Amino acid sequence: DQQVKQNSPSLSVQEGRISILNCDYTNSMFDYFLWYKKYPAEGPTFLISISSIKDKNEDGRFTVFLNKSAKHLSLHIVPSQPGDSAVYFCAASNVQGAQKLVFGQGTRLTINP
Amino acid sequence: EAGVVQSPRYKIIEKKQPVAFWCNPISGHNTLYWYLQNLGQGPELLIRYENEEAVDDSQLPKDRFSAERLKGVDSTLKIQPAELGDSAVYLCASSLLAGGTDTQYFGPGTRLTVL
Repeated sequence: DQQVKQNSPSLSVQEGRISILNCDYTNSMFDYFLWYKKYPAEGPTFLISISSIKDKNEDGRFTVFLNKSAKHLSLHIVPSQPGDSAVYFCAASNVQGAQKLVFGQGTRLTINP
Repeated sequence: EAGVVQSPRYKIIEKKQPVAFWCNPISGHNTLYWYLQNLGQGPELLIRYENEEAVDDSQLPKDRFSAERLKGVDSTLKIQPAELGDSAVYLCASSLLAGGTDTQYFGPGTRLTVL
């Protein structure tokens, strides 16, 4: 039962353009969502998060949007830079229930110069 | 500040052999996690410690996997005996508290290959 899904295994974007990574979830109890970024041979690093009481959170070039009715979140990176090339994981949890983080399968983003 | 340290970084063993992974969390972090990451998948929680106590080990295959966190700092994850399907990356993470919004910091992982 894949509760968090990233349906695009890979995405290629030109430098300077917007990158949009998508994530869908099925568990309506999830109330906290995160994006992690992973470079090869390194562990995932936290990027940005959003609580279910919000529909948008912005941090510099990174913005996460949450659509609770559609059970969908997305990460926007603008402008995209070569250093953004990595695997991006979305994750979700039920904070009130102190539940564990559930990760998606990841999307490999490649920024082309 | 030093991050989460894991060793070894790579391990190759024959099936049925034992193997152990070590993790040193960020200083002061009370909560420690072990994750399993299969190829092309996201990390999956194996066990979570709050100080010395394993508070969530529901996903740990207890017939062959064991873990300990003595003195509430370092932790060891063991597999005995290893099977071919155990080939994966084993990630350790830590967070300051156990709160659901507390950021988890990951180590680089140990890549295990079982032949």
